[in-house]
Amino acid sequence: DQQVKQNSPSLSVQEGRISILNCDYTNSMFDYFLWYKKYPAEGPTFLISISSIKDKNEDGRFTVFLNKSAKHLSLHIVPSQPGDSAVYFCAASGSSGTYKYIFGTGTRLKVLA
Amino acid sequence: DAGITQSPRHKVTETGTPVTLRCHQTENHRYMYWYRQDPGHGLRLIHYSYGVKDTDKGEVSDGYSVSRSKTEDFLLTLESATSSQTSVYFCAIGSGEGEYFGPGTRLTVT
Repeated sequence: DQQVKQNSPSLSVQEGRISILNCDYTNSMFDYFLWYKKYPAEGPTFLISISSIKDKNEDGRFTVFLNKSAKHLSLHIVPSQPGDSAVYFCAASGSSGTYKYIFGTGTRLKVLA
Repeated sequence: DAGITQSPRHKVTETGTPVTLRCHQTENHRYMYWYRQDPGHGLRLIHYSYGVKDTDKGEVSDGYSVSRSKTEDFLLTLESATSSQTSVYFCAIGSGEGEYFGPGTRLTVT
């Protein structure tokens, strides 16, 4: 049973436009969420996080929105750049104290020049 | 970059042979993790450690064991490799604010 879902396996966006990547979760105990970016043949790299006490967190071109009632989070990239082309994973963690993260299946973003 | 290395980076082995993958960190993080990445499945947690000699199972632990005798090293062992364990394996170190991943090990079991 997939507790963290990324229902769009791929997304193509024109350079300069907004990219919106979505993530849904089922476990209401999750209280910390992260986004990772992964290039081919490399390990995932941390991008941005959000705690459940917030509904928005911004870092430069990247903004994560959290809608707890809908159990939904999204990552907005504005403006999108060709270097943003990668696989994006969302991950969630509960307040169990074990720092275990459940990852989604990933969305491949392609930014077209 | 977080100081995480994995060895070997690539390995081809035969079904039924034992395989050990090593993760080494220089960050003195308490938490260490092993994941596997497969198409359509994303990253799935195999085992994790929350201290020296303290380990626990993740969601896909069958066929794998781990050991952590020092803070800096976390070993993943496939006791008898099977073709279903062909994958890319990532080690990560973590804190309460996220995890930092190593470069990965591509394992092929023939």
